[in-house]
Amino acid sequence: EAQVTQNPRYLITVTGKKLTVTCSQNMNHEYMSWYRQDPGLGLRQIYYSMNVEVTDKGDVPEGYKVSRKEKRNFPLILESPSPNQTSLYFCASSARGAYEQYFGPGTRLTVT
Amino acid sequence: AQKITQTQPGMFVQEKEAVTLDCTYDTSDPSYGLFWYKQPSSGEMIFLIYQGSYDQQNATEGRYSLNFQKARKSANLVISASQLGDSAMYFCAMAFRVGGTSYGKLTFGQGTILTVHP
Repeated sequence: EAQVTQNPRYLITVTGKKLTVTCSQNMNHEYMSWYRQDPGLGLRQIYYSMNVEVTDKGDVPEGYKVSRKEKRNFPLILESPSPNQTSLYFCASSARGAYEQYFGPGTRLTVT
Repeated sequence: AQKITQTQPGMFVQEKEAVTLDCTYDTSDPSYGLFWYKQPSSGEMIFLIYQGSYDQQNATEGRYSLNFQKARKSANLVISASQLGDSAMYFCAMAFRVGGTSYGKLTFGQGTILTVHP
């Protein structure tokens, strides 16, 4: 089944404790990105990647890191999480030339 | 700067009736794509429909149609024959091609919560 998977789905952590949210797609998509969703703001892009080893900042990159060492994986790293990073996070991917972006199921992160 | 505006925080519709969800956008780029996504209470993002800026016809996908008025910069979603399962948050989004190929960043509106009454 073609899909984008994220882990964990739910995470409660404390300020400053490094964490990684994994994202993996099995559709051989070139383009991958991370979004965060906050009430009243819709979804905003954090980082994106056009292909392996090619990443760039989105609209709200502060406090986040990403890497794209393999085509299928695009992890989101929070080196020192803060409460303002409490949010719902989505990973998405799309194929070259396609218009549809496939979203993962979301990761609900709470930082206390 | 690109911007998407959804002015209806919430909408109510009776089952089996049609409903229109409003979306306006702002861009000076002539080439762009417009998208609608559905987010049910379970949280996942479900792609509904796409309209390219150069498409002459309005997009349709089953009970969904996109009323594209380019001069007015609007891209309203019309859901015909509403069903209880249509109750969800709906997001309008816009994107531009990157590297001449894929669409890149989706810029989302604030969303509209649709409630379908039996």
